Amino acid sequence: AQSVSQHNHHVILSEAASLELGCNYSYGGTVNLFWYVQYPGQHLQLLLKYFSGDPLVKGIKGFEAEFIKSKFSFNLRKPSVQWSDTAEYFCAVNEPGGYNKLIFGAGTRLAVHP
Amino acid sequence: DAGVIQSPRHEVTEMGQEVTLRCKPISGHNSLFWYRQTMMRGLELLIYFNNNVPIDDSGMPEDRFSAKMPNASFSTLKIQPSEPRDSAVYFCASSPPGTVGYTFGSGTRLTVV
Repeated sequence: AQSVSQHNHHVILSEAASLELGCNYSYGGTVNLFWYVQYPGQHLQLLLKYFSGDPLVKGIKGFEAEFIKSKFSFNLRKPSVQWSDTAEYFCAVNEPGGYNKLIFGAGTRLAVHP
Repeated sequence: DAGVIQSPRHEVTEMGQEVTLRCKPISGHNSLFWYRQTMMRGLELLIYFNNNVPIDDSGMPEDRFSAKMPNASFSTLKIQPSEPRDSAVYFCASSPPGTVGYTFGSGTRLTVV
């Protein structure tokens, strides 16, 4: 079965630091990849997605992610974080076979200190 | 577009009571998903529907949990009887045909005491 691994459960950064959150998936075929963000007390919102084409995907709020097929990875990056980026970040991959079913990673809690 | 609408936003109930959570997907979306989020287990997919038909309910934890989708604009998740370990945030999400990726609702925070 498809699985998603997020390497860091908790990350603490100071404002202006650079961010990279790791994500690896298990399926070797064609996949669609997503990063969702959940701000405290809110629902999950789509940050960015990769379907095909340029493996470097730019999302909202200055986030980007790079799809590296050979490494089964889709890491999330931001060059300079802000306090408002404090949230939980989820990587997800669609399960092949239709119906749009997404498999989510366990999430990474990011705390940005002013 | 009103988004995915869930009700209630918060529910506090006593152990043994029946709980019904409701979801209205975005109009035109034909897939609907119910997730449960807890600190210990993260996001768990409970069940999903396609064109109102349940496709996979293998994530439903026990027979106490049931879900229905009587039409394209409404779904319910019922817990009967409820237990304290059911306390969690329950999210509903929907997606349109031919598109991968969801829109989530705001969730229902359930507390069973």
